[in-house]
Amino acid sequence: NAGVTQTPKFQVLKTGQSMTLQCAQDMNHEYMSWYRQDPGMGLRLIHYSVGAGITDQGEVPNGYNVSRSTTEDFPLRLLSAAPSQTSVYFCASQLAGGGETQYFGPGTRLLVL
Amino acid sequence: GQNIDQPTEMTATEGAIVQINCTYQTSGFNGLFWYQQHAGEAPTFLSYNVLDGLEEKGRFSSFLSRSKGYSYLLLKELQMKDSASYLCAVRDRSGGSYIPTFGRGTSLIVHP
Repeated sequence: NAGVTQTPKFQVLKTGQSMTLQCAQDMNHEYMSWYRQDPGMGLRLIHYSVGAGITDQGEVPNGYNVSRSTTEDFPLRLLSAAPSQTSVYFCASQLAGGGETQYFGPGTRLLVL
Repeated sequence: GQNIDQPTEMTATEGAIVQINCTYQTSGFNGLFWYQQHAGEAPTFLSYNVLDGLEEKGRFSSFLSRSKGYSYLLLKELQMKDSASYLCAVRDRSGGSYIPTFGRGTSLIVHP
């Protein structure tokens, strides 16, 4: 199993550009989530999904879109990048249910100029 | 939502014991996780508590008191490789999902 994979590992964007951060998992996990991590701020939830076709907003959803057309994939779209979106983005997945831990991808480091 | 508080930074000596505290406020507590995160890497799972008491896993133990909204992570026989950030995460069932909320993390520095 590859676990949770993310691409790209690093990206530089100009303000106003759009891009998609890819996330895939091969563990047949129902739940998938996107977090951003900024210095001193911990992990903040952007969007999450509890199954294919179902998505919901987290704590900081503005400026981001997601979709979940398959169980395996959960891409995060930046519609018009802003310098405030410079961050490290982590995708995570877990089985449904109360005691299940999350498994994290290696992260995408995004710099918006 | 949850309000999760943990110290920003702690230092300790190799071979010693360190306790990292986490306090939280939540309306529908449904479990607390501890994760370890080395610089530049993804978080990795350390422990899970849903009932009161102590869970021991080798050098690491985690304690939970639901009535006090309090948990701690205990690291024994510290090693240099334990220098990392430790994240407390709380799950709240009132939101209808099982996605936890994370605290800001505690940066632990272990020195010789």
